[in-house]
Amino acid sequence: GEDVEQSLFLSVREGDSSVINCTYTDSSSTYLYWYKQEPGAGLQLLTYIFSNMDMKQDQRLTVLLNKKDKHLSLRIADTQTGDSAIYFCAEKPQGTGANNLFFGTGTRLTVIP
Amino acid sequence: KAGVTQTPRYLIKTRGQQVTLSCSPISGHRSVSWYQQTPGQGLQFLFEYFSETQRNKGNFPGRFSGRQFSNSRSEMNVSTLELGDSALYLCASSPTVLGNYGYTFGSGTRLTVV
Repeated sequence: GEDVEQSLFLSVREGDSSVINCTYTDSSSTYLYWYKQEPGAGLQLLTYIFSNMDMKQDQRLTVLLNKKDKHLSLRIADTQTGDSAIYFCAEKPQGTGANNLFFGTGTRLTVIP
Repeated sequence: KAGVTQTPRYLIKTRGQQVTLSCSPISGHRSVSWYQQTPGQGLQFLFEYFSETQRNKGNFPGRFSGRQFSNSRSEMNVSTLELGDSALYLCASSPTVLGNYGYTFGSGTRLTVV
């Protein structure tokens, strides 16, 4: 299957920007997603980007995609304590006939007040 | 608009028993997928259903099975439970078979096998 990698932990101070990174291995066109998981909860879709795009912005969230390096990042501006959660990068390769997501290990973001 | 509903939220079962988990997708969503989340293996794909047909299956033993009903509700069953089956089981739905614009996940069923 596809290999999606993320760093495990990130700590930032409230008000700073957070940048969560992800690398993936699929070489074909693909959809890439960022999900957020709070304690005891399911996964909340934050945003997605198709691999023919370089950037997508949605309020405090900015997604950057470097297709050459297969590197995806999620920037959260003005990080708040409510942003503390685990963030998962996921990939859905196109053209394989399968629609399942391949998830990274998740990055635990801790926001320090 | 109601989200994806999974029942029950928590389950405790004994090794060797079987269990059935239920998922009601968002109204109008016909695609349902199941994932297993464990601390060791992370999030792993179990199955995907669309219009009552299993379209894709992950790399899990035959003890794991599922089905989808005509109203798009889905169930998954695990027989002969093992301690390693303890996990959070997540269901996700999408309005389209491709699901390109993202899946909506439920809160999950936490299964503990003792």
